[in-house]
Amino acid sequence: SQTIHQWPATLVQPVGSPLSLECTVEGTSNPNLYWYRQAAGRGLQLLFYSVGIGQISSEVPQNLSASRPQDRQFILSSKKLLLSDSGFYLCAWSAPWTADSPLHFGNGTRLTVT
Amino acid sequence: AQKVTQAQTEISVVEKEDVTLDCVYETRDTTYYLFWYKQPPSGELVFLIRRNSFDEQNEISGRYSWNFQKSTSSFNFTITASQVVDSAVYFCALSEERGPARQLTFGSGTQLTVLP
Repeated sequence: SQTIHQWPATLVQPVGSPLSLECTVEGTSNPNLYWYRQAAGRGLQLLFYSVGIGQISSEVPQNLSASRPQDRQFILSSKKLLLSDSGFYLCAWSAPWTADSPLHFGNGTRLTVT
Repeated sequence: AQKVTQAQTEISVVEKEDVTLDCVYETRDTTYYLFWYKQPPSGELVFLIRRNSFDEQNEISGRYSWNFQKSTSSFNFTITASQVVDSAVYFCALSEERGPARQLTFGSGTQLTVLP
């Protein structure tokens, strides 16, 4: 069966520090991968998605970036965090080329920028 | 543009009551997919159900049931005989085809609190 791992679970970082959140998927090949952010107030915002190694699409311009160095690995990064980057970050995967495939989410990373 | 509206921000019920969570969507796609997710206090989003636009059959799974009506662009979720463990934020979502991958547009969520 497929599993998705996301770490760390919580993170407290000072403003201006770098960020690296990692997500890996097991049990499937060539998944679509996603990064979402959930700010206070519950809304889920799509940040990045990827349909293959090295292919990243950005939905929201900001100081975050994403990379997919391996088929089942998705990394969210920042060179300098802002206070507004605080939030709950969720990684997700879905089956490729399947229109009705649901997204399956990791447990999330709660990021607090101080 | 695709849009999902969950007008109920918060709902509070007493255990064993039935509760319906509303979801209204907007899309120009003729083929689309609707989803419900549950987010318990621990934070992870749990997939509950998927529905495609050409299947308006209602679905029941245990205490959960879903009512999909294309005529009113609604996909409502009912929990029968609610339990404290049902307390969570529930999200309705609509898939769209944008570029090479389908993506989900989420509603703002409904916080359900079931009191003992």
